Amino acid sequence: EAGVAQSPRYKIIEKRQSVAFWCNPISGHATLYWYQQILGQGPKLLIQFQNNGVVDDSQLPKDRFSAERLKGVDSTLKIQPAKLEDSAVYLCASSSGPFANTGELFFGEGSRLTVL
Amino acid sequence: GEDVEQSLFLSVREGDSSVINCTYTDSSSTYLYWYKQEPGAGLQLLTYIFSNMDMKQDQRLTVLLNKKDKHLSLRIADTQTGDSAIYFCAAVSGTYKYIFGTGTRLKVLA
Repeated sequence: EAGVAQSPRYKIIEKRQSVAFWCNPISGHATLYWYQQILGQGPKLLIQFQNNGVVDDSQLPKDRFSAERLKGVDSTLKIQPAKLEDSAVYLCASSSGPFANTGELFFGEGSRLTVL
Repeated sequence: GEDVEQSLFLSVREGDSSVINCTYTDSSSTYLYWYKQEPGAGLQLLTYIFSNMDMKQDQRLTVLLNKKDKHLSLRIADTQTGDSAIYFCAAVSGTYKYIFGTGTRLKVLA
């Protein structure tokens, strides 16, 4: 079974530029999450999708971050314009739901963003 | 809001037991998880426990849950250098919302 795919793995941009990250979850997983992990901290939820609908985006800085999951499969997270404090690893995770099997979240390897 | 807290560092000698602790605030958390993160990698599930359980054992791993105190611990028996990593506690509640702790960096000394 293929895991969660993310790209790019690394991105370096200057502040005020834009960047987009892509995630393809495990096939059949209805729930998709984007987390931001700043160095030395735990993952912080940015947005949660159930199929192509948003369940929770309360911690997404909507003035600069946007995310979509148009067909309920893959997803894109965009940052425009980027700030220095956006430097982090952006983790995508998917799940078949907490009440299916172990409720495990499957994570991709992450996209590391450096904003100069 | 919901919060999950962990101590930041733990150092043990190879062959000793490691105990990593976690406290959470949401008493309605139905599932509690331990994830492991190695350098440059995403998080990987180690083990989990349902809220109606007090203890779960899985080979070298023992999870203890004290619901009254909202305290979760992970014990790793016979800790090896390959266990060196960051360990995250996570609680899920509400609409499948997973809240992660800050992570405990485990360093195993040979």
